[in-house]
Amino acid sequence: QVQLQESGPGLVKPSQTLSLTCTISGGSISGGDYYWTWIRQPPGKGLEWIGHIPYSGNSDYHPSLKSRVLISVDSTKNQFSMRLTSVTAADTAVYYCARDTSILAGGGTFDVWGQGKMVIVSS
Amino acid sequence: DIQMTQSPSSLSASVGDRVTITCRASQGISKYLNWYQQRPGSAPTLLIYAASSLQSGVPSRFSGSGSGTHFTLTISSLQPEDFATYYCQQSYGTPQTFGQGTKLEIK
Repeated sequence: QVQLQESGPGLVKPSQTLSLTCTISGGSISGGDYYWTWIRQPPGKGLEWIGHIPYSGNSDYHPSLKSRVLISVDSTKNQFSMRLTSVTAADTAVYYCARDTSILAGGGTFDVWGQGKMVIVSS
Repeated sequence: DIQMTQSPSSLSASVGDRVTITCRASQGISKYLNWYQQRPGSAPTLLIYAASSLQSGVPSRFSGSGSGTHFTLTISSLQPEDFATYYCQQSYGTPQTFGQGTKLEIK
């Protein structure tokens, strides 16, 4: 059974870069047709899709974050990562990594989620 | 972006009740609609995909219907573990977008 686990700093200073990693266990990042995805949830608010990347192929990002975000894959470590630059307090959120199982249909069905990583942007 | 609007935003019900949550899309999305459950302090879990298909392992008291712009999630007989927040999400266009959530509380 595939499991995902986020890791990274829980506190980031404004204007700096937020970096998170998602480690996959119980399966291979290269096994199957999936998008590896990041989603976030500000405290007390709803869910926002950040972007995704297939094992091989191009990543795609939310238009409002496209200029600041980069998602990459490290197949040697069975991980994928996200970097968000120039963060502000508005980027404070729980960040989830997730597996998107509907790559053949264009994406958007998240069947496995990590437990989430709370990241606070504050000086 | 496609806007997803859920109603109601919150709902009080009792164990054994039948409840329905509605989700409307700002444009037609065919059947590209998923439902998630989120318990406090936990990640969302997939309940229904493609508007009406039950995710493996999800109890059959959950069902979904709809197409185009109007969708519903129905829980036929509420159980104590069902009190949570429910989100709809469209997978028709990028960026995929979620509804604002419906919080289901115990009456």
